[in-house]
Amino acid sequence: AQKVTQAQTEISVVEKEDVTLDCVYETRDTTYYLFWYKQPPSGELVFLIRRNSFDEQNEISGRYSWNFQKSTSSFNFTITASQVVDSAVYFCALSGAWGGYQKVTFGTGTKLQVIP
Amino acid sequence: DGGITQSPKYLFRKEGQNVTLSCEQNLNHDAMYWYRQDPGQGLRLIYYSQIVNDFQKGDIAEGYSVSREKKESFPLTVTSAQKNPTAFYLCASSMGRRGSMNTEAFFGQGTRLTVV
Repeated sequence: AQKVTQAQTEISVVEKEDVTLDCVYETRDTTYYLFWYKQPPSGELVFLIRRNSFDEQNEISGRYSWNFQKSTSSFNFTITASQVVDSAVYFCALSGAWGGYQKVTFGTGTKLQVIP
Repeated sequence: DGGITQSPKYLFRKEGQNVTLSCEQNLNHDAMYWYRQDPGQGLRLIYYSQIVNDFQKGDIAEGYSVSREKKESFPLTVTSAQKNPTAFYLCASSMGRRGSMNTEAFFGQGTRLTVV
């Protein structure tokens, strides 16, 4: 069984502050994939990053960075110098193989509000 | 522009009626998915399809039906058997499984269904 836990339901920060969104996962698969998606008020989910279980290197993309730690089953997401446009719901997701088809399990999301 | 189109954006249904949500993609993706989003519960998988004329139940398929007659289209019917259909519905597509790699999913803008 797969499970993704995003313990932070809502976070508010003041613009330019750094913020970290936590994601903890459970899986029995030895090969799996982790994702982060952003859901702005318009509703669609926007893909941010995919990481496979064999690659524990941290990744930085502009103001976004991701910290994958297999030892603690965590895949945390940090936004540096937050901006109002970062306000959204962020989902962490886990994908393994199930019956030969892709099955993605989503966390319950973290709502981030960046206050100007 | 390539993408996923869901229609309508808002839909109202009377109790006891069936209603069909449209999802079309021009990304040439093999796999398509339907998710339901409720407040505080993240996204839950309703149905998925890896190829034309084939689809599988997800975690919450009861009260829903789908078809996949064309690669580009994956309509979802919410039947009168679905006891609590009011929710936000998201359609997604992905290249599917390529070797050992699960590819990321791209999402439509969603349909908000309300039962009146």
